Amino acid sequence: EVQLVESGGGLVQPGRSLRLSCTASGFTFDDYAMHWVRQAPGKGLEWVSGISWNSGDIDYADSVKGRFTISRDNAKNSLYLQMNSLRTEDTAFYYCAKGGGASRYSYFDSWGRGTLVTVSS
Amino acid sequence: SYDLTQPPSVSVSPGQTASIPCSGDQLGNKYTSWYQQKPGRSPVLVIYQDTKRPSGIPERFSGSNSGNTATLTISGTQAMDEADYFCQAWDSTTAVFGGGTRVTVL
Repeated sequence: EVQLVESGGGLVQPGRSLRLSCTASGFTFDDYAMHWVRQAPGKGLEWVSGISWNSGDIDYADSVKGRFTISRDNAKNSLYLQMNSLRTEDTAFYYCAKGGGASRYSYFDSWGRGTLVTVSS
Repeated sequence: SYDLTQPPSVSVSPGQTASIPCSGDQLGNKYTSWYQQKPGRSPVLVIYQDTKRPSGIPERFSGSNSGNTATLTISGTQAMDEADYFCQAWDSTTAVFGGGTRVTVL
């Protein structure tokens, strides 16, 4: 059974940094692209970033480009999101999602439970 | 930027068919996926590559995609299908989600 467990969320002041982690199990981690998707409370889904199986290809939403950095450690079955220069509009649940299919431009076939990031002074 | 448009809400009676449209420029040329999200829960993939159902998703969920509109259809809707549904496609290297449709089973 695929399991994705996010951690690292919390309350942070605007302009500060936070690092999210996602630990994966139940599948061969380094066979798949991985993604971060966020959802502001009561709002819709917003894709944040994706990374290919070998970290060779990385993409970001325009809203976070230059501030967020995605990375992965296949030896630890872990995905990360380094978030710098946080803004109040970054407040959201952050989900780790597993890419499906052979392409990293594919669907998201498993999701974690999410971790809440609150940016407020 | 590329936009996917969904109606905010759809109501359906138990046992009837619910159709949820998702519109975008030449969406039929892209693969569309659909996600179900119940209150307080994570999204769940219910349709991928326009028409395919993941293992464990009931047969009453089906999808289509042509022209500018993809459609998620729930046949014989049950009370447990009450949820938010989001469509998703890729625009070059960016994943795009629709705004979501709340399905209410009256």
